[in-house]
Amino acid sequence: DIQMTQSPSSLYASIGDRVTITCRASQGISTYLNWYQQKLGRAPKLLIFDSSILESGVPSRFSGRGAGTDFTLTISSLQPEDLATYYCQQSYRFPWTFGQGTKVEI
Amino acid sequence: QITLKESGPTLVKPTQTLTLTCAFSEFSLSTSGAGVGWIRQPPGKALEWLGLIHWNGRKDYSPSLSNRLSIVQGTSENQVVLTLTNLDPVDTATYYCAHRRVRGGSHYFDSWGPGTLVTVSS
Repeated sequence: DIQMTQSPSSLYASIGDRVTITCRASQGISTYLNWYQQKLGRAPKLLIFDSSILESGVPSRFSGRGAGTDFTLTISSLQPEDLATYYCQQSYRFPWTFGQGTKVEI
Repeated sequence: QITLKESGPTLVKPTQTLTLTCAFSEFSLSTSGAGVGWIRQPPGKALEWLGLIHWNGRKDYSPSLSNRLSIVQGTSENQVVLTLTNLDPVDTATYYCAHRRVRGGSHYFDSWGPGTLVTVSS
């Protein structure tokens, strides 16, 4: 299985801060990397697919980049509604796998 | 707009079998490229991918669960059914079904059901 490792596991930030979350794959996955946001008690929501493509309706302050084994999700200016846990997920090879999550606290 | 919703028991005893139904709308599983996946999340823990049924009937399962897990199309064409046998308390989780979209070579879950919490306890 391809292991996905996120860092940090949690972070505290202030409104307006630039926040970056890292996801590392245990082997190369090209750009087949997706990012999801999960708010407390809710189902995950797709933010970014194919490493860097913003899902329709997602604010432009979210961006993703990376290829191979190293990926990042960046929130350019943190907003109160961004309080959530963020997960990366690889769809390069079955079984698909998720990272352990990064909790963003404000 | 694609919607999905999970349904099934909320409490199951150890060693019993769990059957969950995912009812969906605004897409057909018979359309080329379509897929429905199952993901679960134990309380306070991370998401775990369980499996996926493809438009052509192919199924992919998590190796750690493949001997207990089955995903099939339901009796209605807009349903997918998950069966997990020989339940243990560690199977306690919120179970989600999700629509798999394909764009180019990229696969992702773009719509999710609200999830259903299943507790395994005697």
